[in-house]
Amino acid sequence: AQSVTQPDIHITVSEGASLELRCNYSYGATPYLFWYVQSPGQGLQLLLKYFSGDTLVQGIKGFEAEFKRSQSSFNLRKPSVHWSDAAEYFCAVGPRANDYKLSFGAGTTVTVRA
Amino acid sequence: DTGVSQDPRHKITKRGQNVTFRCDPISEHNRLYWYRQTLGQGPEFLTYFQNEAQLEKSRLLSDRFSAERPKGSFSTLEIQRTEQGDSAMYLCASTVRTGIVGNTIYFGEGSWLTVV
Repeated sequence: AQSVTQPDIHITVSEGASLELRCNYSYGATPYLFWYVQSPGQGLQLLLKYFSGDTLVQGIKGFEAEFKRSQSSFNLRKPSVHWSDAAEYFCAVGPRANDYKLSFGAGTTVTVRA
Repeated sequence: DTGVSQDPRHKITKRGQNVTFRCDPISEHNRLYWYRQTLGQGPEFLTYFQNEAQLEKSRLLSDRFSAERPKGSFSTLEIQRTEQGDSAMYLCASTVRTGIVGNTIYFGEGSWLTVV
């Protein structure tokens, strides 16, 4: 069975500082990996996804993530955070391309301080 | 608005009552998914449809839950005899099932259910 662990429940970062959110997955086959962002009371917005190819994936809003098979990780990074990046971030894994029976992590809440 | 639309956005109901949520996917999206998200947790897969066929149901979907997509367009999720543990946000999402790898799935803004 597929599963996702996001070790950090809450991260506080200063505006302009870098951000890294950790994600570890468990899945026997080739994983299809996603990062989503959710603002309070809202649905999910896709930041980026990894299906194959280059292990460094660029997404929207200046985010990127790196797939490391040896570490079963797919960490999300942003070089310089903006106050608008305050939100909850979810990592998810899917069983195959175009199959969206996703397993989500519990999420990491990001607070941005001025 | 051409996004995934969910209605109602918020629902407060008494325990034991039935509730129904509606999801209108993006036009021509043939796959539709339902997820449930409780406070402090990530979404959990409930069920999905391809056109009007319900292809899979999670074991989270108890007998009190039923989902339909009668004409392959909008979908409804009904919860009968609601319990306090049903309090959650119910998310709908849609995508196109094609042979192209990497189609994007689009989520609605969710329907919040509070059972009192």
